[in-house]
Amino acid sequence: DAKTTQPPSMDCAEGRAANLPCNHSTISGNEYVYWYRQIHSQGPQYIIHGLKNNETNEMASLIITEDRKSSTLILPHATLRDTAVYYCIVTNRDDKIIFGKGTRLHILP
Amino acid sequence: KAGVTQTPRYLIKTRGQQVTLSCSPISGHRSVSWYQQTPGQGLQFLFEYFSETQRNKGNFPGRFSGRQFSNSRSEMNVSTLELGDSALYLCASSLDPFSSSYEQYFGPGTRLTVT
Repeated sequence: DAKTTQPPSMDCAEGRAANLPCNHSTISGNEYVYWYRQIHSQGPQYIIHGLKNNETNEMASLIITEDRKSSTLILPHATLRDTAVYYCIVTNRDDKIIFGKGTRLHILP
Repeated sequence: KAGVTQTPRYLIKTRGQQVTLSCSPISGHRSVSWYQQTPGQGLQFLFEYFSETQRNKGNFPGRFSGRQFSNSRSEMNVSTLELGDSALYLCASSLDPFSSSYEQYFGPGTRLTVT
């Protein structure tokens, strides 16, 4: 079973920030939080990952709570091309990666 | 740098046949993972290879097998195909499972249809 819980779907207006939550209350100390997204019919795309500090790259920001039991992926200025299923995954390097059902993000024009 | 390539992209097979799918990882990447994606079950982990050895295995029957070659290219094989094996098969590569960045890069997938 997936170690994370995500809302099944979310809407966001184009140009606004999209904030996608993820709950991982049973995360272990050596487990990282990874985010991927999958645009229809394509392979998943890596977005960002983190251990305990907040992270930012050219695509998104990842905010991890201090207790590490939840995180939020932020797409700062959502565009129609950000419409996709977003997966939050918790794993360490020895474990197999388990994808949950993810969050289907709809960007509204 | 070229991405992950998978061949063939589309395949139609008949029940009972076997199939071999191929994956070439990003240059320099030594770990290859395979996933099956269906509308009903979502993305499911099949197995992971690193240095020609299987590191992890998902909950699939023995009809599903794989291997990795010394150049890190990987193949997966499905024998005695069943209708339920119709799916998108995705390959993902990463540098190695022991690096600090273990992000995976996915190929476009092979769409297998079993009739």
